[in-house]
Amino acid sequence: NAGVTQTPKFQVLKTGQSMTLQCAQDMNHNSMYWYRQDPGMGLRLIYYSASEGTTDKGEVPNGYNVSRLNKREFSLRLESAAPSQTSVYFCASSVGQNYGYTFGSGTRLTVV
Amino acid sequence: LAKTTQPISMDSYEGQEVNITCSHNNIATNDYITWYQQFPSQGPRFIIQGYKTKVTNEVASLFIPADRKSSTLSLPRVSLSDTAVYYCLVGGGGGATNKLIFGTGTLLAVQP
Repeated sequence: NAGVTQTPKFQVLKTGQSMTLQCAQDMNHNSMYWYRQDPGMGLRLIYYSASEGTTDKGEVPNGYNVSRLNKREFSLRLESAAPSQTSVYFCASSVGQNYGYTFGSGTRLTVV
Repeated sequence: LAKTTQPISMDSYEGQEVNITCSHNNIATNDYITWYQQFPSQGPRFIIQGYKTKVTNEVASLFIPADRKSSTLSLPRVSLSDTAVYYCLVGGGGGATNKLIFGTGTLLAVQP
């Protein structure tokens, strides 16, 4: 049982480049989330998907787009990367809104 | 969304019981209280969740007073491996605002 799988684990981008972070869960969870974590800070919600077919903005959505491809997969896209997007990105999923989240191991992204 | 306040850091020694208190004065009627643990370079891990009174599992206990404006995570007999950041979150109360907002957490340092 893999839980929440994120790819890639590490990535270096040049300013202006685009990329997609992939996330997949095998627990049949309804809700999925993308967070970013900067050094010494807590996690900040970028986007979430309460259920398949729906997405919504979180605290810090600017510069990002998401796609809930199906119930298992929720991707995060950076269209034009900026140094301010250097961070560790975590994907999470949950059965529903009143249940604990399961997190992936993170993607460490550096934009130079 | 309910805002939480918890100590930035705490120190303890192996074998001691540790209590981390979180205040959430504007908790909504149907919000749950959830605690997560995060080790460096890993995603947060669900510890415990409760709505009222006391909840206990194999890892920790969660004490919630009747007014639910605060909660206390209790870790019995901590070990060095319990050194981590602990996050208190309030939310999941339904509707479109089911997303959980992480604060900066409490860094627990356990010494020998």
